[in-house]
Amino acid sequence: AQSVAQPEDQVNVAEGNPLTVKCTYSVSGNPYLFWYVQYPNRGLQFLLKYITGDNLVKGSYGFEAEFNKSQTSFHLKKPSALVSDSALYFCAVSFYSSASKIIFGSGTRLSIRP
Amino acid sequence: ETGVTQSPTHLIKTRGQQVTLRCSSQSGHNTVSWYQQALGQGPQFIFQYYREEENGRGNFPPRFSGLQFPNYSSELNVNALELDDSALYLCASSPGQVSGANVLTFGAGSRLTVL
Repeated sequence: AQSVAQPEDQVNVAEGNPLTVKCTYSVSGNPYLFWYVQYPNRGLQFLLKYITGDNLVKGSYGFEAEFNKSQTSFHLKKPSALVSDSALYFCAVSFYSSASKIIFGSGTRLSIRP
Repeated sequence: ETGVTQSPTHLIKTRGQQVTLRCSSQSGHNTVSWYQQALGQGPQFIFQYYREEENGRGNFPPRFSGLQFPNYSSELNVNALELDDSALYLCASSPGQVSGANVLTFGAGSRLTVL
C-alpha cells in the first residue's frame, strides 16, 4: 500500500538554529512529493514540490527539501529557524498514474522557541 | 485573485442528519478536491471533480457525495451522519488539466461536529 510517514509528531528548535522535519514514503513508481504547512484556523499552504530533476528543491519562506530515492525520503529543512515558522507541516505524495489522489502524512508540529 | 472559500466555517449536527458543505474555487481553477482531516491527523482524500465529473475517489462510503457546478464551485454532501464524521473538511482547487504535479490551493475548511 502507498503510504507517507512523518516519524516525529513534534519537533522543537531554538530560533536561529537549523531545522529538519522528516518524511519517508513507501510507494511504487515515481512519485511527486510535496510539503504543505498549516497555521491555526487556516487551510494548508503549499511550500515546495519535487517532480523531477535536481534532488534539492527550494521553496517558500527559505525552506528546502532533499529528495533521496535510495532512502525514500524527502526531509524538509531550513538553515535558520524563525519563531513564525511554528506550525503544522505535512508531507504528501501523488502520482502521475493517479492524478486525482494525494496521500498526506500525519503531520509534524514544529515549535520554534525564542 | 480570490482564494478558495468554504462555508459554513463551523456547524453542529446530530447523528443521522445530513449536511451540505460548499466551496468556491480559486479564480481560474477548474478542479476541486475534498479532504477530511480528523483531529491530529493528516487530510484524507474524499474525491475530486474536474469539469463537473467525479475524477477519483478515496476510501469513503457512498453516503459521501459531491457535485461540481459550471462555475467550478462544489458541494460535499454527507448523509446519515455518524460520530466519526466529526472533522475539518477541506476543499482544494487546482488549475488546468488534472495532474499529480498540480499544486493545491486550500480553503480554511468547514469544521463539522456530530453529536
